[in-house]
Amino acid sequence: EAQVTQNPRYLITVTGKKLTVTCSQNMNHEYMSWYRQDPGLGLRQIYYSMNVEVTDKGDVPEGYKVSRKEKRNFPLILESPSPNQTSLYFCASSSLTGQIYGYTFGSGTRLTVV
Amino acid sequence: GDSVTQMEGPVTLSEEAFLTINCTYTATGYPSLFWYVQYPGEGLQLLLKATKADDKGSNKGFEATYRKETTSFHLEKGSVQVSDSAVYFCALSDPYNQGGKLIFGQGTELSVKP
Repeated sequence: EAQVTQNPRYLITVTGKKLTVTCSQNMNHEYMSWYRQDPGLGLRQIYYSMNVEVTDKGDVPEGYKVSRKEKRNFPLILESPSPNQTSLYFCASSSLTGQIYGYTFGSGTRLTVV
Repeated sequence: GDSVTQMEGPVTLSEEAFLTINCTYTATGYPSLFWYVQYPGEGLQLLLKATKADDKGSNKGFEATYRKETTSFHLEKGSVQVSDSAVYFCALSDPYNQGGKLIFGQGTELSVKP
């Protein structure tokens, strides 16, 4: 089944404790992206990657890092999480025609930083 | 920059009522337009899309027409069901601008009562 898999689904952590949210897709998609969803703000892009070893900042990259060492994986790293990073996070992928035909989203990771 | 504006929710309807969720956009290029749906506790799913002016996207009884003259992409359904209760996001993607990223509206929550 074609899918984007995120882990974990839920995570509660403390301020300053480094964490990684994993994202993997099995569709051989070139394009991958991370979004955060906050009430009243919709979804905002954090980082995206056009292909292996090619990443770029989105609209809200502060406090996040990403890497794209393999085509299928695109982890999101929070080096020193803070409470304002409490949010619902989604990974998405598409072929390079995804801009025209749509993106596939993961099920989301609900992160709480206390 | 490009942006999407949706009507605010929540929207509460009775089963079999007619649904309209308004969406307007601002874009410098020629974007593709999408409606995504998020059911409770799940990720986003592509509901329908339109890639050029006057295209009509349709799926599961939902429809939306790409209106360039009014820069709109309103979502409609003739008879809603309880199972349509979800959050609906209007989005655009311009492959020639900002790397083709998805730009979302803030989402509209729909609640359908039996």
